[in-house]
This record gives sequence, C-alpha cells and structure tokens, in this order.
Amino acid sequence: GENVEQHPSTLSVQEGDSAVIKCTYSDSASNYFPWYKQELGKRPQLIIDIRSNVGEKKDQRIAVTLNKTAKHFSLHITETQPEDSAVYFCAAPPRGGTSYGKLTFGQGTILTVHP
Amino acid sequence: DAGITQSPRHKVTETGTPVTLRCHQTENHRYMYWYRQDPGHGLRLIHYSYGVKDTDKGEVSDGYSVSRSKTEDFLLTLESATSSQTSVYFCAISDQTREQYFGPGTRLTVT
Repeated sequence: GENVEQHPSTLSVQEGDSAVIKCTYSDSASNYFPWYKQELGKRPQLIIDIRSNVGEKKDQRIAVTLNKTAKHFSLHITETQPEDSAVYFCAAPPRGGTSYGKLTFGQGTILTVHP
Repeated sequence: DAGITQSPRHKVTETGTPVTLRCHQTENHRYMYWYRQDPGHGLRLIHYSYGVKDTDKGEVSDGYSVSRSKTEDFLLTLESATSSQTSVYFCAISDQTREQYFGPGTRLTVT
C-alpha cells in the first residue's frame, strides 16, 4: 500500500518460539489497525485489531501493540505452532482517507513455523 | 464466514472479452469493497461502495467498473479483459466498526 510498510517479508521460526511482524504508517490521523491471516488458497481472516485509543490488545497467543508517536504497530505471536504458518497482512486507513472504512494493506509476511 | 459469497469462483476468459464478477452478502453491511491480490503487491483496492448506487475508485481502478443496485450485491466488471488483469479478486464488507470480512475469492485467468 501507498502508506503502509510491513517487515519482514518472510519469517522462519521454530515451533514454540515467538514471532514479531512490524508495520509503519504515515498518516497520524489513522485510528484503526487490523491484522489478517491468510492460509494458502484461502481468504484473508481478521485475527486481531487495535484502535488508536489503546496501546496493546491481547487474544490468547496473539497480541498487537501500537506506538502512535512512532507511527508503527506490531503483531506478536507467542508459543508458535505449525498451524500459525500463513501469510500475515497489516492494514491501516489510507492517507487522508479514514472515511468509508477503507484500508491500505501491507505487502504481507510469510511466516513459516518449523516443527 | 460472515455471509459473503462470490461468483464465479474460477473463470478463464480471452483477452478483449467483458467479464463480470459478483459479490453477494447477507449481513446488510453498508460498505463493500473489491480488491485484487497479486504476488508481491498484497491486496489493492479497486473500487468501493458506501451505499446503494454510491461507489468510488480505489488505487487500481483503471479498466474496471462497478455497480451496486441493491445493498446485498456489488458487481465488478472488466470492460475488456487484459492479461494484466489475471489475478485473484476478493470482495469484502464492513459496517461502522470498520472490520472488513472477505469473501472466498475469484481466480480469474485472462488468456
């Protein structure tokens, strides 16, 4: 997307390790940051999101943190399992376009969890 | 999966022919979106709708048009298909929460 940068593009970890994916955005007015998981041949699935009024949100083994000052947000997966292997996308409202629910997506991170 | 279907799920067509993809939702969500997904580009917004008969362009709208005559249906038309439009097309819906939910996708091949 024009204003969402995602890193790394690939990430390989051992089962049980943690994985962290980071995204940066450019519009300080952005206020909604979702993460999607896409398994091979499937649709993207919303796994967690965070809004700009909080700094962290957790859901079992996944968490998202938001640093509004630095304009970045990260996905943290703990105790990774082989079924966590997928492509993960971050997203944020496009520059100047927080209306109509539009999102700009990062280019994706291929996460591989080795047993 | 959030009551979203897409048809057809797969299509092969020839260069220069018109193609229409359909997205149908049963959630009564106001907003609908069409994305294309290509390797190395993630998901890119083609067009979106914010109500019946209310549509606007996304970042990659050239060669595409859309229509929304009912809340539940959002159609994407490729006026004259080109090989560069070979892609996987996803429809998504959302409401005031901004959470977007995706349809199963349509794999389009233009030969």
